[in-house]
Amino acid sequence: GQQVMQIPQYQHVQEGEDFTTYCNSSTTLSNIQWYKQRPGGHPVFLIQLVKSGEVKKQKRLTFQFGEAKKNSSLHITATQTTDVGTYFCAGILTGGGNKLTFGTGTQLKVEL
Amino acid sequence: EADIYQTPRYLVIGTGKKITLECSQTMGHDKMYWYQQDPGMELHLIHYSYGVNSTEKGDLSSESTVSRIRTEHFPLTLESARPSHTSQYLCASTLGTGLTDTQYFGPGTRLTVL
Repeated sequence: GQQVMQIPQYQHVQEGEDFTTYCNSSTTLSNIQWYKQRPGGHPVFLIQLVKSGEVKKQKRLTFQFGEAKKNSSLHITATQTTDVGTYFCAGILTGGGNKLTFGTGTQLKVEL
Repeated sequence: EADIYQTPRYLVIGTGKKITLECSQTMGHDKMYWYQQDPGMELHLIHYSYGVNSTEKGDLSSESTVSRIRTEHFPLTLESARPSHTSQYLCASTLGTGLTDTQYFGPGTRLTVL
């Protein structure tokens, strides 16, 4: 079954509200990557986290890697319409070779 | 922007036809991947390659086949297309130097089988 789950599956917010998507793995991850896919587009790499407890920021986006390296989160402060899209986490599962396993994704819609 | 290309971008075809989806990258990447994705849904890995003459099946069973004769080229073939094959097919590549590789995606091919 699916080893990397994301919640929520869908999220509608008003512009200016905050948004968070959570990524949970059934096994320890060697790293975690985040991708954004705009409607009709292809996934584009955002960031990678490698260390336990790591936190990285990109403007209004904050990424966290859990202490146990089994979960991660992406938080967007004050969403804008340009944030619309599907956000995927992806990680290399311990013992899973070098293959990247993608999460189930969270679709974000931002309304004016 | 990554140098990875897919053709055609859109394809509408009848049941039973043989089709080949092209994927090329000019970055010299060793590892290449094919994903199948329904609109707004998760990505399913269907094939991957770690180098020339290396191909493996992915996590999702697929009736398609792939080949890797040249580093830059990783085509996907469906011998007999069926409506259940209607989906978006995304090609990706990575440099292949280790666990921290970023995946670069092509623009995708949207396939519709009538």
